[in-house]
Amino acid sequence: NAGVTQTPKFQVLKTGQSMTLQCAQDMNHEYMSWYRQDPGMGLRLIHYSVGAGITDQGEVPNGYNVSRSTTEDFPLRLLSAAPSQTSVYFCASSYSYSPGGGELFFGEGSRLTVL
Amino acid sequence: TQLLEQSPQFLSIQEGENLTVYCNSSSVFSSLQWYRQEPGEGPVLLVTVVTGGEVKKLKRLTFQFGDARKDSSLHITAAQPGDTGLYLCAGGDGGSQGNLIFGKGTKLSVKP
Repeated sequence: NAGVTQTPKFQVLKTGQSMTLQCAQDMNHEYMSWYRQDPGMGLRLIHYSVGAGITDQGEVPNGYNVSRSTTEDFPLRLLSAAPSQTSVYFCASSYSYSPGGGELFFGEGSRLTVL
Repeated sequence: TQLLEQSPQFLSIQEGENLTVYCNSSSVFSSLQWYRQEPGEGPVLLVTVVTGGEVKKLKRLTFQFGDARKDSSLHITAAQPGDTGLYLCAGGDGGSQGNLIFGKGTKLSVKP
């Protein structure tokens, strides 16, 4: 049972470099999202998608882009990495979306360090 | 903007002790979720509480949703080292898409 798969698990970048964090889910979930987790800050929503072709911004979207061409995949792109983007990134998916929020299934995380 | 405040931020106890973790807000939530996160892994859902005053039990863990649906608590009886982890509460952000906002978490350490 794969669930939500994130790659890479670890990455070191230099300031100004770009990269893509990959996220794939095999549960046919409509809702997918990206969070970043920083010490003392909890989980903060970056971008989310309620279906293929539909994306929107969360609480902290600056410096990140997303796309959703298929139900399964939801990559997160860092356009020009900055040290402030050093964090652990989590991709999460849910069967459906509703105002109260559905159960989120998380990947194992991608730890990114920007030097 | 809806906010969830968790307390305490850190908790270190001995095996066998009881503890309670709190999740408070000034906003009303239609439901609240509790997740547990272990080091190097993503959060995993423990429970969802939906009705004001609701109490749910999961083995030694008891979850309660406040009558006004603005707060929740997690009580662990006779804590074990396996309970060690980060406990997060989460609720809908008030939008129609169902985005969740998370509290900052309570980091629990249970020592043998």
